[in-house]
Amino acid sequence: QVQLVESGGGVVQPGRSLRLSCVASGFTFENYGMHWVRQAPGKGLEWVAVISYDGTDKYYANSVTGRFTISRDDSKNTLYLQMNSLSAEDTAVYYCAKQIAVGDRPDYWGQGTLVTVAS
Amino acid sequence: DIQMTQSPSTLSASIGDRVTITCRASQSINNWLAWYQQKPGKAPNLLIYEASNLESGVPSRLSGSGSGTEFTLTITSLQPDDFATYYCQQYNSYPWTFGQGTKVEI
Repeated sequence: QVQLVESGGGVVQPGRSLRLSCVASGFTFENYGMHWVRQAPGKGLEWVAVISYDGTDKYYANSVTGRFTISRDDSKNTLYLQMNSLSAEDTAVYYCAKQIAVGDRPDYWGQGTLVTVAS
Repeated sequence: DIQMTQSPSTLSASIGDRVTITCRASQSINNWLAWYQQKPGKAPNLLIYEASNLESGVPSRLSGSGSGTEFTLTITSLQPDDFATYYCQQYNSYPWTFGQGTKVEI
């Protein structure tokens, strides 16, 4: 069965960097686009970024453009989110999600990893 | 960016009630709309895609309708498992955007 397991969250000081990982199993990772979506404590869902199945297309939310970078390593079945210049507004649970097809909806989500930006 | 506006923000209902949640897009998204259910501490769960298609395993008391800019999620005969927060999301174009959520409570 499809499994997505995020890791790398924790407490980080403002201005610092953090890299999140999402290990995928149960499907052919290299065939699917992948997303990051976040949710601040007590708030709604915010889409963050997407990477195409072959890594050539990447799109970002305006709020993270220039600071976050999405990438993938198909040899490790792993999705990454490099987050730089973090601020308190980036505090959230970060979910990775598998895309069912190009441009289509996410059909599986991980359980999330919490990032807390605080001094 | 396409703005998604959900209403109401909170909905008080009872077991057996029929409830309707509305989602409005700031521009046409054709039918590229999904509905999710989320319970506290859990990841969102996809309910409906392409505005009206029920995801596998989702009970038939849930249904979606609409196209263009106006969409609705309807739950007939509300059950205890339905008390949760619901989000709409457009996937017509990047950046994808979500509605602010509707909490269905007793």
